[in-house]
Amino acid sequence: NAGVTQTPKFQVLKTGQSMTLQCAQDMNHNSMYWYRQDPGMGLRLIYYSASEGTTDKGEVPNGYNVSRLNKREFSLRLESAAPSQTSVYFCASSDPYGLQSVTKREQYFGPGTRLTVT
Amino acid sequence: AQSVTQLDSQVPVFEEAPVELRCNYSSSVSVYLFWYVQYPNQGLQLLLKYLSGSTLVKGINGFEAEFNKSQTSFHLRKPSVHISDTAEYFCAVTPWGDYKLSFGAGTTVTVRA
Repeated sequence: NAGVTQTPKFQVLKTGQSMTLQCAQDMNHNSMYWYRQDPGMGLRLIYYSASEGTTDKGEVPNGYNVSRLNKREFSLRLESAAPSQTSVYFCASSDPYGLQSVTKREQYFGPGTRLTVT
Repeated sequence: AQSVTQLDSQVPVFEEAPVELRCNYSSSVSVYLFWYVQYPNQGLQLLLKYLSGSTLVKGINGFEAEFNKSQTSFHLRKPSVHISDTAEYFCAVTPWGDYKLSFGAGTTVTVRA
């Protein structure tokens, strides 16, 4: 199993450009998440998808949109990038109400996308 | 709403010395607690979690944490660190009945020979 994969690994954008970050998981998880990581601020939730067909805003959704394409894939779109969106973006997945108590509540993270907006 | 405070942003430590990383949380309801580790230029990996039962939880790589409900703390410890433990460590919580995580700001551990 590859777990959670993200593309691209690195990206440089100019202010105003748009891009989509891709995320896929092969663990048959229902829930998926997008976070951003900034120095001294930990990880902050941008959007999440509790299950296929649903998406909801997290703590810092402004400037972003998401699409839960199917159970495996959850993409994050920046329509008009701004320097304040320079960050490391992580996708995660979980099966919070699954039958396997060992993995219950645990989120599995991808390797991250390092985005710079100039 | 819940929040997490990691009391130390940076912890330098010598190899084979013990280390303790402090985490306090606030929540109006009961919570599940987690510690994640992030090695340089990698994603986050679960070290250990507290869901219920014994308040002393053992995780991977020799780490353990103790849940203290009265002090709303979940401190992480390792009796003897290695150079390879150099990483950033995050404490996180989620309320019972929820599944979204709230993270602390992180603690950077630097292990020196």
